Amino acid sequence: DTGVSQDPRHKITKRGQNVTFRCDPISEHNRLYWYRQTLGQGPEFLTYFQNEAQLEKSRLLSDRFSAERPKGSFSTLEIQRTEQGDSAMYLCASSMGGQLNEKLFFGSGTQLSVL
Amino acid sequence: GEDVEQSLFLSVREGDSSVINCTYTDSSSTYLYWYKQEPGAGLQLLTYIFSNMDMKQDQRLTVLLNKKDKHLSLRIADTQTGDSAIYFCAEMLSGTYKYIFGTGTRLKVLA
Repeated sequence: DTGVSQDPRHKITKRGQNVTFRCDPISEHNRLYWYRQTLGQGPEFLTYFQNEAQLEKSRLLSDRFSAERPKGSFSTLEIQRTEQGDSAMYLCASSMGGQLNEKLFFGSGTQLSVL
Repeated sequence: GEDVEQSLFLSVREGDSSVINCTYTDSSSTYLYWYKQEPGAGLQLLTYIFSNMDMKQDQRLTVLLNKKDKHLSLRIADTQTGDSAIYFCAEMLSGTYKYIFGTGTRLKVLA
């Protein structure tokens, strides 16, 4: 068990560019979550998947954001036409749903800086 | 609303106890959690409590739950400098598998 992996750790991009982040959850986990965290704040929910199905998206998630989990394993989060306000830490987490004591495990995050 | 509230800062001396408080939103939340975040790192699960419990102890950590007031607390006994971090409480909203996090409490332990 290698934990939740995120790639890249850091991404610097220019405003207007597209970026894509990848998350590899803990292998047996069927639920995968994306959160965004800005300085001094707690993680804000963006979206989550159960297997390959995207079950909920936050109202915060504009049309420029899209997430996929095509085979129910790894997931990608794409941000199109990035804006400076997109600068944040993007956190991925996974859990084994359906258990009595379900717990959420986080990756180390991808720090996005939009110049 | 979905605002989980925490005080922003707490400062204690090494060896003292720390108590971090949280007010959550959903009285039907099944599980409530405490996470720790060190600089530049993701969130690490510390402990959790099932909603039908009032208290849970796990080594130096004690979690107290007051469902009537929707109040959760984390007590850290014999606080060490390595406990300096940001602590987040979180709830899993009933009827969904969405976790909502508090704003975080920055704990500073003075030697």
